[in-house]
Amino acid sequence: DGGITQSPKYLFRKEGQNVTLSCEQNLNHDAMYWYRQDPGQGLRLIYYSQIVNDFQKGDIAEGYSVSREKKESFPLTVTSAQKNPTAFYLCASALIGDGNQPQHFGDGTRLSIL
Amino acid sequence: AQKVTQAQTEISVVEKEDVTLDCVYETRDTTYYLFWYKQPPSGELVFLIRRNSFDEQNEISGRYSWNFQKSTSSFNFTITASQVVDSAVYFCALTNFGNEKLTFGTGTRLTIIP
Repeated sequence: DGGITQSPKYLFRKEGQNVTLSCEQNLNHDAMYWYRQDPGQGLRLIYYSQIVNDFQKGDIAEGYSVSREKKESFPLTVTSAQKNPTAFYLCASALIGDGNQPQHFGDGTRLSIL
Repeated sequence: AQKVTQAQTEISVVEKEDVTLDCVYETRDTTYYLFWYKQPPSGELVFLIRRNSFDEQNEISGRYSWNFQKSTSSFNFTITASQVVDSAVYFCALTNFGNEKLTFGTGTRLTIIP
């Protein structure tokens, strides 16, 4: 079945460590997105990409990095510069050029600090 | 800048009651799209409905209905004869033409009491 796969489901980070969250989609969508969800704050956009090898910062990009080497994949690295990384991270994808199409979301990765 | 306001943080109703979730939005775009998503306890976001700014027709889908009013910048969501399975966090979201990014409200946590 087509969809978005995020892994791992749970992730723990030590102080000073970089960790990478995986996001893969087989929907043939052009655009991919990373959101962070904190309790009571809704979802905030970290990075997004509309084509391969190109991506833009969202509202809270500091302390994060991404790559888009393949259309199907959009991994997110949480660097040691992100001082408060504990959150629920959601990846999404969508067709672009038509805002009428909804973004489809993965099941999320819950990141915690050890 | 775009903004979505969901003033109701938490709502609890007894099963079989009707419940309305409010959403008010702000945008300078003349073409925009509104969405409702459901987030059950498992965490994934489930798409419920989309509406474009040129279509103010209200919509009914089973027990769900949506009331879009441009004059008041509102896109409210009503569940009729609520069920325990409707318990979730519900997000209203807004995007421009081109679907560059979704702006989310902070969500309304709905609890249906058996």
